[in-house]
Amino acid sequence: AQKITQTQPGMFVQEKEAVTLDCTYDTSDQSYGLFWYKQPSSGEMIFLIYQGSYDEQNATEGRYSLNFQKARKSANLVISASQLGDSAMYFCAMREKQDQAGTALIFGKGTTLSVSS
Amino acid sequence: EAGVAQSPRYKIIEKRQSVAFWCNPISGHATLYWYQQILGQGPKLLIQFQNNGVVDDSQLPKDRFSAERLKGVDSTLKIQPAKLEDSAVYLCASSLVGGRETQYFGPGTRLLVL
Repeated sequence: AQKITQTQPGMFVQEKEAVTLDCTYDTSDQSYGLFWYKQPSSGEMIFLIYQGSYDEQNATEGRYSLNFQKARKSANLVISASQLGDSAMYFCAMREKQDQAGTALIFGKGTTLSVSS
Repeated sequence: EAGVAQSPRYKIIEKRQSVAFWCNPISGHATLYWYQQILGQGPKLLIQFQNNGVVDDSQLPKDRFSAERLKGVDSTLKIQPAKLEDSAVYLCASSLVGGRETQYFGPGTRLLVL
């Protein structure tokens, strides 16, 4: 079974609009971390935002926020006021056993976001 | 603060040839990861080091791939002999130990095997 599922292969949005990128996850661990990364066409993975499984508040970082619904096992990324530079591939990732050192990330297949003027 | 460095950025080789990639992590980051990203997919972990010891290499095709991290800093990933299906982007990442262990990635090496 997929650990991280991103069901939207591509999303299109106009500048200044908000967009939500979906992510659902599957784990039996109680302690885990959820991450979103942006990958522009240059190829580098850029860390955007983090949500811990025990965090009670949704994470926010500037124009990025994470809509964390633990019971539904979803961790959707919300980008407010989209900009042309937001056009990129976006990956949701999970780190299980967050209370232990040294576990790697499991990535979804990604969503391509295209922002138009 | 300098980020994760990788070289080369691009490499084209014939199948059955060998190739090596180099990674220099962020200073002070004890954990180093190599990921393979095939076109249209998310990155997949190949090997994870903590200092100069291997933490996880369960998904490394050991008949052709090898990696080392001498002195617990720089790392080299080698493929010998390369196959067509090895065409991918090879990403190196590093993190601190403990807490979130947020991983920071390098620019990647794009490998094309002909």
